[in-house]
Amino acid sequence: QKEVEQDPGPLSVPEGAIVSLNCTYSNSAFQYFMWYRQYSRKGPELLMYTYSSGNKEDGRFTAQVDKSSKYISLFIRDSQPSDSATYLCAMSRAAGNKLTFGGGTRVLVKP
Amino acid sequence: GAVVSQHPSWVICKSGTSVKIECRSLDFQATTMFWYRQFPKQSLMLMATSNEGSKATYEQGVEKDKFLINHASLTLSTLTVTSAHPEDSSFYICSARGGLAGGPTDTQYFGPGTRLTVL
Repeated sequence: QKEVEQDPGPLSVPEGAIVSLNCTYSNSAFQYFMWYRQYSRKGPELLMYTYSSGNKEDGRFTAQVDKSSKYISLFIRDSQPSDSATYLCAMSRAAGNKLTFGGGTRVLVKP
Repeated sequence: GAVVSQHPSWVICKSGTSVKIECRSLDFQATTMFWYRQFPKQSLMLMATSNEGSKATYEQGVEKDKFLINHASLTLSTLTVTSAHPEDSSFYICSARGGLAGGPTDTQYFGPGTRLTVL
């Protein structure tokens, strides 16, 4: 069993819809949780960074962490075709430390 | 802020030759850099962690004599693929630890990646 599980998708939504992504993990030592966006043939770009449980909002993006359930989520409101990419969750035990990635979810936002 | 560059962005080489990939943190100093490889439609696989001025720490199964890592300064790390073979063809991505240590931005920032094709 992988330490971090993420549905590979693809997740196809119409433009303007809410995109809902999630990851589950097994290691309770993870304290820092991140979401990265990766376009094809590009490096990952940091979207959201959260420490411990709680919610964080940044523009159209909302990240949620539920450590009791070992479950994290990313919501994208008012999705745009430019949001079409692969979204990777990642987590670490300590800040700036080795990251454990989910497998990534491919998202397609159709005009 | 927290911009990381890689050079070259793509390279084609013949089997048996060596290839060097550079990773630079452009607007911050990075005591720690990481090297990943990524196969098509797969997630990132950590190869090694490099700390400035010391030897890199390799993940299990990664040949340190084949993938030479040098972190000579706070803004530059290099990965050299020695005696490359077609199975080494992959997308290589570096990251650098940036942001205020212990603060809300203390995480890894990724370069754009280098696509290596070995003929």
